[in-house]
Amino acid sequence: RKEVEQDPGPFNVPEGATVAFNCTYSNSASQSFFWYRQDCRKEPKLLMSVYSSGNEDGRFTAQLNRASQYISLLIRDSKLSDSATYLCVVTLYGGSQGNLIFGKGTKLSVKP
Amino acid sequence: AAGVIQSPRHLIKEKRETATLKCYPIPRHDTVYWYQQGPGQDPQFLISFYEKMQSDKGSIPDRFSAQQFSDYHSELNMSSLELGDSALYFCAAGGGSSTDTQYFGPGTRLTVL
Repeated sequence: RKEVEQDPGPFNVPEGATVAFNCTYSNSASQSFFWYRQDCRKEPKLLMSVYSSGNEDGRFTAQLNRASQYISLLIRDSKLSDSATYLCVVTLYGGSQGNLIFGKGTKLSVKP
Repeated sequence: AAGVIQSPRHLIKEKRETATLKCYPIPRHDTVYWYQQGPGQDPQFLISFYEKMQSDKGSIPDRFSAQQFSDYHSELNMSSLELGDSALYFCAAGGGSSTDTQYFGPGTRLTVL
């Protein structure tokens, strides 16, 4: 069983739609949580960190439930430029310390 | 701002050959991580270095080795290449003033024929 499990996808949505991605992690000792975005054949780029209190960055909202070991990402008012693969990521250490453990990613395609 | 530099960006090798990938991290980021991403797969952690010492080891084959040098750049050495080694290899830099992020380089695409 993979340490980080994500929605299988792909998600095909129209512009302006709201889309939600879910992720679960198996190691309760996980310390830090992130969503990364990866465009085709490019490097993963940090989208946002995820905190227990929940956090928002513009159209993006991330939530963490430590008790359920569950992470979510909500994208509102989808743009064509949001089309990418979204990777749920955890580490066993705080911040940038320790290797990143990736989920398989969920592909999002936003159509006109 | 300066980013992580990787070279070469593309590399084509034959089976059983060797390859060396290089990573130049962001200045003042003292931790380097190597990841391998096969086609359609998520990145898998290979190995990391902190202050020129190996800090952690993941699913790195024995045929691979790596080191970090005094200028903090890192090299991943791959020997007896196999077809299954064809992948994107990313280097990430961490441990800078921001403790919340690892910055990825653009990757080296290795193709083994």
